[in-house]
Amino acid sequence: GAVVSQHPSWVICKSGTSVKIECRSLDFQATTMFWYRQFPKQSLMLMATSNEGSKATYEQGVEKDKFLINHASLTLSTLTVTSAHPEDSSFYICSVGTNEQFFGPGTRLTVL
Amino acid sequence: GEDVEQSLFLSVREGDSSVINCTYTDSSSTYLYWYKQEPGAGLQLLTYIFSNMDMKQDQRLTVLLNKKDKHLSLRIADTQTGDSAIYFCAESLTTSGTYKYIFGTGTRLKVLA
Repeated sequence: GAVVSQHPSWVICKSGTSVKIECRSLDFQATTMFWYRQFPKQSLMLMATSNEGSKATYEQGVEKDKFLINHASLTLSTLTVTSAHPEDSSFYICSVGTNEQFFGPGTRLTVL
Repeated sequence: GEDVEQSLFLSVREGDSSVINCTYTDSSSTYLYWYKQEPGAGLQLLTYIFSNMDMKQDQRLTVLLNKKDKHLSLRIADTQTGDSAIYFCAESLTTSGTYKYIFGTGTRLKVLA
């Protein structure tokens, strides 16, 4: 299956700063990547679908101006959490694939 | 709407079988999946089943799908302490060539030695 990496694994930032999370598909050319958020002891919630060379598709209730997604190449998508607040603290996971999804290891964001 | 539900907790003794259940509401699922998540880690795909199948067996894992009742189950035979984790079922939906995953609420499996 595809190998997906995320960077960083863990980030701690101050409230009001912006944080960029990278998702790389190491051996799979992904025209589409998915971003999920997982709060403690909860399920994964799809935030947005990242489309290579075009705008991301956001799920209902997800602010596109707060969670900026850029999918500049077939192997890299980035999620930028702008003006992060403590309530944005979560585990962010990306995935690639079609019928079978391959997940990255996740990025834990802690906003102080 | 799209909704996938699971029971929150399951506790079994080592060596026994575990059965984790999942119900979903959207009948247009193409594939249904079981994922395992250990603490602080990403998701590991355990197995999946195509929506026109009733059963799939893969070593210690058996997946049963009742499409009429929209019920999916994962049976783990000879459960080991290393199987303790959170298990998520998920369904994939296809709309105009776009895939979308809906995850269940997760079942925390605790295996007692």
